[in-house]
Amino acid sequence: DVKVTQSSRYLVKRTGEKVFLECVQDMDHENMFWYRQDPGLGLRLIYFSYDVKMKEKGDIPEGYSVSREKKERFSLILESASTNQTSMYLCASTSSGELGTDTQYFGPGTRLTVL
Amino acid sequence: AQRVTQPEKLLSVFKGAPVELKCNYSYSGSPELFWYVQYSRQRLQLLLRHISRESIKGFTADLNKGETSFHLKKPFAQEEDSAMYYCALSGSNSGGYQKVTFGTGTKLQVIP
Repeated sequence: DVKVTQSSRYLVKRTGEKVFLECVQDMDHENMFWYRQDPGLGLRLIYFSYDVKMKEKGDIPEGYSVSREKKERFSLILESASTNQTSMYLCASTSSGELGTDTQYFGPGTRLTVL
Repeated sequence: AQRVTQPEKLLSVFKGAPVELKCNYSYSGSPELFWYVQYSRQRLQLLLRHISRESIKGFTADLNKGETSFHLKKPFAQEEDSAMYYCALSGSNSGGYQKVTFGTGTKLQVIP
């Protein structure tokens, strides 16, 4: 059974702080994703990665960066947190072959509040 | 560009009534469509995908390419079906990578 874990369920940060959200998967998946989930807006893709040290921008990458130093770990970085980044952040992973055509397995989410 | 539209934010039905959650998509190629579900205090998970052509928890969805729709249906709603439902489309982006786009979600509320 695929397990995707996220480092924190709840996080409270102040405006301007640097924030790290960590995601780890244990199924040797090549592809990993970061989304934010907002009421009325659904899930929006921030960044994704199809291999170690590789990254691709999603639909809303502004204000975010990512790091994929190891296959199992995909980090989302908010360089300088702002209040409009208050959201639920979801990490997901899929096996390779054709990126995106396999089932996405989601983590439990991190609810980030920026004060 | 690919787009997924779920026109209803909230759908309330009585227990035992039929359910139809609407999903329309826009994509120039041949899409792969999915329905994901998120029950209260649980993580988002796959409900079904069109290529499997299977029924999960009594739900079915048929891809209609002519109407560019992938509506989710169940003949008799149960209270445990109350959840948030997301329609998703997998297609190729400009960089040649497969990309998944989600709709805005529909909250299904089954009234006892």
